[in-house]
Amino acid sequence: DVKVTQSSRYLVKRTGEKVFLECVQDMDHENMFWYRQDPGLGLRLIYFSYDVKMKEKGDIPEGYSVSREKKERFSLILESASTNQTSMYLCASRVGGGYTFGSGTRLTVV
Amino acid sequence: AQSVTQPDIHITVSEGASLELRCNYSYGATPYLFWYVQSPGQGLQLLLKYFSGDTLVQGIKGFEAEFKRSQSSFNLRKPSVHWSDAAEYFCAGSSSGGSYIPTFGRGTSLIVHP
Repeated sequence: DVKVTQSSRYLVKRTGEKVFLECVQDMDHENMFWYRQDPGLGLRLIYFSYDVKMKEKGDIPEGYSVSREKKERFSLILESASTNQTSMYLCASRVGGGYTFGSGTRLTVV
Repeated sequence: AQSVTQPDIHITVSEGASLELRCNYSYGATPYLFWYVQSPGQGLQLLLKYFSGDTLVQGIKGFEAEFKRSQSSFNLRKPSVHWSDAAEYFCAGSSSGGSYIPTFGRGTSLIVHP
């Protein structure tokens, strides 16, 4: 089975900090995605990547950037964390139909 | 706009009862459709998917879903619910051409009473 690993389950960061959320998949998938999940809003796509060094904006990219230097790793970067970025962040990878999701990182910005 | 709607925010059923979770879609052509389940504190797990062919799709954990073009629906069903099925369920859809990036519904929270 494909495994998608997010390095942190819980993070607490201060306003203004630069935050890195890491995601690694072990099945050589080309497509990787970052979502944020908020109650009542479902999943919203932040960024995705079709291949190494490629990135595309999703529906809510403002305040975020991404990095994909290696196929297996897709990092989400909060350049200057703000309290409205407190959320659950989910990484996913895909080949063919259907995503495989990581367990999520619950980020709190104080 | 292409979208997926889950009309029910919460559903409560008794253990052993049957279950149907509703999902409606709005796409021009036949979409790709998915159901995911999320247990508390976890990521999402794919239950089943529909791309084409037989409109009744079998998934994992005893779930099935039926694609009904005339009703623009893809409802998830289970004949007998277990307490461990309590979770958040998400329907998702994408167009059958292009990037295939799905749009997720807002989710339905399933509560199971003993």
